[in-house]
Amino acid sequence: GIQVEQSPPDLILQEGANSTLRCNFSDSVNNLQWFHQNPWGQLINLFYIPSGTKQNGRLSATTVATERYSLLYISSSQTTDSGVYFCAVERKGANSKLTFGKGITLSVRP
Amino acid sequence: DARVTQTPRHKVTEMGQEVTMRCQPILGHNTVFWYRQTMMQGLELLAYFRNRAPLDDSGMPKDRFSAEMPDATLATLKIQPSEPRDSAVYFCASGLVPDGRSSYNEQFFGPGTRLTVL
Repeated sequence: GIQVEQSPPDLILQEGANSTLRCNFSDSVNNLQWFHQNPWGQLINLFYIPSGTKQNGRLSATTVATERYSLLYISSSQTTDSGVYFCAVERKGANSKLTFGKGITLSVRP
Repeated sequence: DARVTQTPRHKVTEMGQEVTMRCQPILGHNTVFWYRQTMMQGLELLAYFRNRAPLDDSGMPKDRFSAEMPDATLATLKIQPSEPRDSAVYFCASGLVPDGRSSYNEQFFGPGTRLTVL
C-alpha cells in the first residue's frame, strides 16, 4: 500500500511563531486532506488539497502531487492550534480509501 | 450546521458483550466510512459503503465485527463478542463522491465513540 510519512513527529512552538509541517507520500494520489485533531479528539477538516495552494486565515497548504509531498503552513501560531495534524491521501485507484500518516503533535506554548 | 453524528460517545463494557455503534452521516452524502484509532496503529479504515452498498470491509476482523447501513441516514458497526483489544476510538466519516469520472472525495468525521472493553 501507499506510505504516508509526516515530519517532524513532534513540534513545540512559542505562541506567535510560524511553522511548516510536511507530508510525503510514496505513490500517485487522487486526493489529499489535512486534519487537525484537537485535544478533545475531534478530527477537523483543514484542507482538501489534491494539488495547488489554498489559504484559510493563518493556515495555508500546498500540494505538489508530481513530487509527492504536501506542506501545511501555520503562521502566528496560537495555543488553540495545539493538537495532532494528520495528512491523509487516497492513492490513485484506491476508490475513495484514505491512508493516514502517523500525525504531527504540535504544542503551542503561551 | 451539517455534521456527522455518532452514538454513544463513550462506551464501557465487559469482555464478551455485544457493542453497537451508530452513525448518522451528513444528509445527502453517499459514502460512509468506519475508522478505528489506537495509539499503536493510528487511524485505520475498517469498512465503507457507497449508496448503502458495502464496498470494502477488508480492514475489519470478520469473525466479530459487522457493519451495515439499514438506510441512508444510519450506519452501524457491531462487535460481538467484544474483546479488550477492541478498545479504541471508532470514527464514522461521510462524503459525497460524485458518479462518473470525478475523483472528488472529501471526508468529514464524526466525534467518535470511545470504546473501553474490560
